[in-house]
Amino acid sequence: QVTLRESGPALVKPTQTLTLTCTFSGFSLSTNAMCVSWIRQPPGKALEWLALIDWDDDKYYSTSLQTRLTISKDTSKNQVVLTMTNMDPVDTATYYCARIRRDLFAFEMWGQGTMVTVSP
Amino acid sequence: DIQMTQSPSSLSASVGDRVTITCRASQAIRDRLNWYQQKLGKAPKLLIYAASRLQSGAPSRFSGSASGPDFTLTISSLQPEDSATYYCQQSYSTPYTFGQGTKLDIK
Repeated sequence: QVTLRESGPALVKPTQTLTLTCTFSGFSLSTNAMCVSWIRQPPGKALEWLALIDWDDDKYYSTSLQTRLTISKDTSKNQVVLTMTNMDPVDTATYYCARIRRDLFAFEMWGQGTMVTVSP
Repeated sequence: DIQMTQSPSSLSASVGDRVTITCRASQAIRDRLNWYQQKLGKAPKLLIYAASRLQSGAPSRFSGSASGPDFTLTISSLQPEDSATYYCQQSYSTPYTFGQGTKLDIK
């Protein structure tokens, strides 16, 4: 059974760096064609794709946020970490991690999401 | 970046109605178009991938199709539990992008 769970701080201050962890089970990120992505959703707004890391450690980022984002993986711990620097109140959102299989090219399993509020 | 334009942004329909939601990509994306359903307070769920393939576990009343740059999600007979927001998403190239969503209410 595939599961993903996001964890991290619920509240960060402006200019701080956010670190989120996606802990997953039921698959390995060292398996060919497996990828994990981060997506966020501000309250009442649409989904926004942030970043992706694949089994081969290739990394891809949102054009508008790429200077602030870093994605990494720890295969031994079954974790993917996303850091976002210089947080701003507009970054207040629910942050999701999701699995992509390259044969589907779709986010076929999602975590429950973690709400992050940016406020002084 | 590839822009995804969804329409309508919201609609209201009755149980049993046939409902269609459209998504257009700003450039050719082959069949790399997915549809998600998001209920209030929940994570999105994959309904359709590769434009027309029904995800395992998704009800068969959901279907997807493509015609040129336009992609359509169809619900053949609307059910009360279909009240949700629906998103399209292209996976042709990174950065992956989503449509702005269609909020579907049941009359």
